[in-house]
Amino acid sequence: AQSVTQLDSQVPVFEEAPVELRCNYSSSVSVYLFWYVQYPNQGLQLLLKYLSGSTLVKGINGFEAEFNKSQTSFHLRKPSVHISDTAEYFCAVSTAGGTSYGKLTFGQGTILTVHP
Amino acid sequence: NAGVTQTPKFQVLKTGQSMTLQCAQDMNHNSMYWYRQDPGMGLRLIYYSASEGTTDKGEVPNGYNVSRLNKREFSLRLESAAPSQTSVYFCASSNWTEYQPQHFGDGTRLSIL
Repeated sequence: AQSVTQLDSQVPVFEEAPVELRCNYSSSVSVYLFWYVQYPNQGLQLLLKYLSGSTLVKGINGFEAEFNKSQTSFHLRKPSVHISDTAEYFCAVSTAGGTSYGKLTFGQGTILTVHP
Repeated sequence: NAGVTQTPKFQVLKTGQSMTLQCAQDMNHNSMYWYRQDPGMGLRLIYYSASEGTTDKGEVPNGYNVSRLNKREFSLRLESAAPSQTSVYFCASSNWTEYQPQHFGDGTRLSIL
């Protein structure tokens, strides 16, 4: 079985500052990795995904993440945040292979609050 | 361009009552999922349907049942609601065989008194 740990439950940051949201995972098999964003009272939207290939993945709204297999991490970064980035962010993992059926295991979530 | 539609959006129940949460997707996805979201716990998988005609338990299936009515629709039933089932419920769909990520509905906020 796999697990996901998001190392910060809340991250406050000022507008235009850089931000990193940390995610570590545990799995005995190859994985696919995802970051989702949830704005208040809404569902989850996909920010970016890692399936294979380049370990640096770019997503929507200027976010990017780097897959580090040796450290089993998939940290999310943005060089300059905006007020509108205030939301909760979820890291998720799915095991590669035919028996996963695309099931996702989620981390606990990180609330990003951007202050003016 | 609806995507994944969940009904109702809000519901208040009394302990012991039953209800069914409805989910429909219009993206021709094979797989559908039900999750619950609780503060500080992320989303946890309740049940999933890998393809039409199949369903299977996820991480937290106790107290729930599901029906994959057809390719589009996947319902979640609470037979005898308990306060511990107060949560936000999300339905999602994907074509996992084509490595497509899951698309989520806007959720059903359920309170059980």
